Amino acid sequence: EAQVTQNPRYLITVTGKKLTVTCSQNMNHEYMSWYRQDPGLGLRQIYYSMNVEVTDKGDVPEGYKVSRKEKRNFPLILESPSPNQTSLYFCASRPTSGRVDTQYFGPGTRLTVL
Amino acid sequence: GENVEQHPSTLSVQEGDSAVIKCTYSDSASNYFPWYKQELGKRPQLIIDIRSNVGEKKDQRIAVTLNKTAKHFSLHITETQPEDSAVYFCAASIVGYGGSNYKLTFGKGTLLTVNP
Repeated sequence: EAQVTQNPRYLITVTGKKLTVTCSQNMNHEYMSWYRQDPGLGLRQIYYSMNVEVTDKGDVPEGYKVSRKEKRNFPLILESPSPNQTSLYFCASRPTSGRVDTQYFGPGTRLTVL
Repeated sequence: GENVEQHPSTLSVQEGDSAVIKCTYSDSASNYFPWYKQELGKRPQLIIDIRSNVGEKKDQRIAVTLNKTAKHFSLHITETQPEDSAVYFCAASIVGYGGSNYKLTFGKGTLLTVNP
């Protein structure tokens, strides 16, 4: 089954404790991205990657890092989480040829930073 | 960069009525406009999309219209049902072919409630 997976689905942590949210897709998609969703603000892009070793900032990259060492994985790293990063995070992927407009979302990760 | 405005932020209708959600975009180069439905606790799901070379697209009870000149597009849901209750997001993007720098800019969402 074609899918995007994220782990963990729920995470409560404390300020300053480094964490990583994993994202993996099994569709051989080149493009992957991370969004955060906050009430009243919609979905905002954090980082995206056009392919392995190619990443770039989205609209709200401050406080986040990403890496793309393998095509299928695109982890989101919070080196020193702060309470304002409490949010719902979605990973997404899409191909860059063929149906380039079809974006697949992961199930989401609800992060709480105390 | 692109800016997408979405209205209304909340919409309540009676079952069987129609619902219309409107979005405007700022970048005239945008050529792809998807709509996503997000049920409580779930991921956004694409429900319909339209490209800038067409003015209207229908899929059963939902339709999307696009006015490129005015830079606005709308989602129309007819004969609404309680299961249509969700948050709806519009988005805009420039989509090319063969590895474009694709970026979806989302509106802030509309909470649609369909009352039985």
